[in-house]
Amino acid sequence: NAGVTQTPKFQVLKTGQSMTLQCAQDMNHEYMSWYRQDPGMGLRLIHYSVGAGITDQGEVPNGYNVSRSTTEDFPLRLLSAAPSQTSVYFCASSPGQRGGTQYFGPGTRLLVL
Amino acid sequence: DQQVKQNSPSLSVQEGRISILNCDYTNSMFDYFLWYKKYPAEGPTFLISISSIKDKNEDGRFTVFLNKSAKHLSLHIVPSQPGDSAVYFCAARTSGGSNYKLTFGKGTLLTVNP
Repeated sequence: NAGVTQTPKFQVLKTGQSMTLQCAQDMNHEYMSWYRQDPGMGLRLIHYSVGAGITDQGEVPNGYNVSRSTTEDFPLRLLSAAPSQTSVYFCASSPGQRGGTQYFGPGTRLLVL
Repeated sequence: DQQVKQNSPSLSVQEGRISILNCDYTNSMFDYFLWYKKYPAEGPTFLISISSIKDKNEDGRFTVFLNKSAKHLSLHIVPSQPGDSAVYFCAARTSGGSNYKLTFGKGTLLTVNP
């Protein structure tokens, strides 16, 4: 199993550009989530999904969209990037729907100029 | 409002000694707690967890203690090894209703010196 994979590993955007961060898992996990990690802020939940077709907002959802058309994939979309979205983004998955023990991907480092 | 607090940003210990990482929480509805370990440029990895029906859980060198009355948990690493040097995150979750969210603390950087 590859576990949780994320692409790209690193991305530079200009303010106002859009992009999609990809996340995939091959463990047939129902629960998937996106976090951002900023210095001194820990991990903050952006959006999560408890199954295909079901998504909900986390702690810091503004500026991000998600969809879950399949069990395996959970892309995160930035519609109009802002410098405040410069961060490291982690995708995670968990068996079941309660988001307990989560398995994290390696992260995507995003720089918005 | 920070519901999960790790008040020590960093901790330094000697190899072979005990490392104690602390975590406090304010939400009395939290009933499941986890510790994650993170190396630089990698995603967090699950370390150990504890349910609120227990006050201790042990896995090899790692033990988590939960004091519900004080809303406090701690992670003990004995003996500490240089490979344990990483950022440790405490996380908490409620199991009731439709809340499926993990709330993380800000992390504690542990350095184990040879």
